[in-house]
Amino acid sequence: QSVLTQPPSVSGAPGQRVTISCTGSSSNIGAGYDVHWHQQLPGTAPKLLIFGNNNRPSGVPDRFSGSKSGSSASLAISGLQAEDEADYYCQSYDTSLSGYVFGPGTKVTVL
Amino acid sequence: QVQVVQSGAEVKKPGASVKVSCKASGYTFTSYAMHWVRQAPGQRLEWMGWINGGNGNTKYSQKFQGRIRITRETSASTAYMELSSLRSEDTAVYYCAREAGSNDAFDMWGQGTMVTVSS
Repeated sequence: QSVLTQPPSVSGAPGQRVTISCTGSSSNIGAGYDVHWHQQLPGTAPKLLIFGNNNRPSGVPDRFSGSKSGSSASLAISGLQAEDEADYYCQSYDTSLSGYVFGPGTKVTVL
Repeated sequence: QVQVVQSGAEVKKPGASVKVSCKASGYTFTSYAMHWVRQAPGQRLEWMGWINGGNGNTKYSQKFQGRIRITRETSASTAYMELSSLRSEDTAVYYCAREAGSNDAFDMWGQGTMVTVSS
């Protein structure tokens, strides 16, 4: 059973907008802890994509945006490009586990 | 530039221990925490623990308590993760990741170290 849940996959045509949800509970996202998003391209290490719910590190295109509401968060990718094909993981802190948790990951496919 | 570089792949027998290193460069090692995360084949990322680069304090995931030890050598700007009593389920890629200074996001990841546990 996952502490954070994500859809296994989402897909879209080039140029379209896709969103990935991350649902938590009152012991993590709902408790006010920040949500961060990481992108993992095939065969590579993860890379920080969004931090503090809705902030982009330097160098991340503004096509990527994050939001948080209640016990859930979302990552949106607009103007989908072939290079966006990757696995995307949400991350937060959980007080009941006293540690950091990741979602199961969502595979984005560009049709 | 800021980077963290990990040691190479390891093959271990069940019951053995493994020690993975993570060398930081391009920033002040003692000003940041370092986390360890693993990813079994086809599985999600799993947080294992972290160390405060300044005072050496550590915190471990309940899942690995008693089997994990994270240390650091400040003179070498290097963090280490040692996992003992290895079993086949520990076969995974192990990553170190720096915690950002202004928030708890992992803003710099190592390239990963593959650890294979097999008899």
